Amino acid sequence: DIVLTQAPLSVSVTPGESASISCRSSKSLLSSKGITSLYWYLQRPGKSPQLLIYQMSNLASGVPDRFSSSGSETDFTLKISKVETEDVGVYYCGHRLEYPTFGAGTKLELK
Amino acid sequence: QIQLVQSGPELKKPGESVKISCKASGYTFTDYAMNWVKQAPGNGLKWMGWINTQTGKPTYADDFKQRFVFSLETSASTAYLQINNLNIEDTATYFCTRFPVWGQGASVTVSS
Repeated sequence: DIVLTQAPLSVSVTPGESASISCRSSKSLLSSKGITSLYWYLQRPGKSPQLLIYQMSNLASGVPDRFSSSGSETDFTLKISKVETEDVGVYYCGHRLEYPTFGAGTKLELK
Repeated sequence: QIQLVQSGPELKKPGESVKISCKASGYTFTDYAMNWVKQAPGNGLKWMGWINTQTGKPTYADDFKQRFVFSLETSASTAYLQINNLNIEDTATYFCTRFPVWGQGASVTVSS
């Protein structure tokens, strides 16, 4: 099984400041097709997960460019610049190699 | 637009069964696999498995090979999750997802 480890488990951010979330994979997420199978989701309170980033660094449709992601085959970082109220929720990294798994989630709160 | 609409909340007793529906619209149902994801209260996301919407063949994650059944009603563009012999640990919200689109979730509460 591929295990995704997120850090930190929670982060408190002042509106307008930046936040970074790490996701480390126990195995390479580079597929045989040359695609890095790493996704970032935001789950706002009481809602279903929303895709933010696909294939490690591609912004999903409608997602503001305050969100960005980068990484290698096993280590990834989601960066949120100029955090806003609507960014509050739990962020999950996930992959779709073999079968999908998700990180434990990082809860983002506002100071 | 593409939507997945799930059935409403369920309250069940231990030992009973429940069947959750997930109705798709806005795309050709058989063009995409349907996945199921469990989220227990206060917990993260756990992939349960997926069903091939062309063949109806289900694939279950290891923790969901007993008591869980994925099925389809292709003519109605609907996927189903049935959980048999419910226990307290099945209390959760269950999501269907045709990545990256997710249903709104269906809450199942198991309590005596």
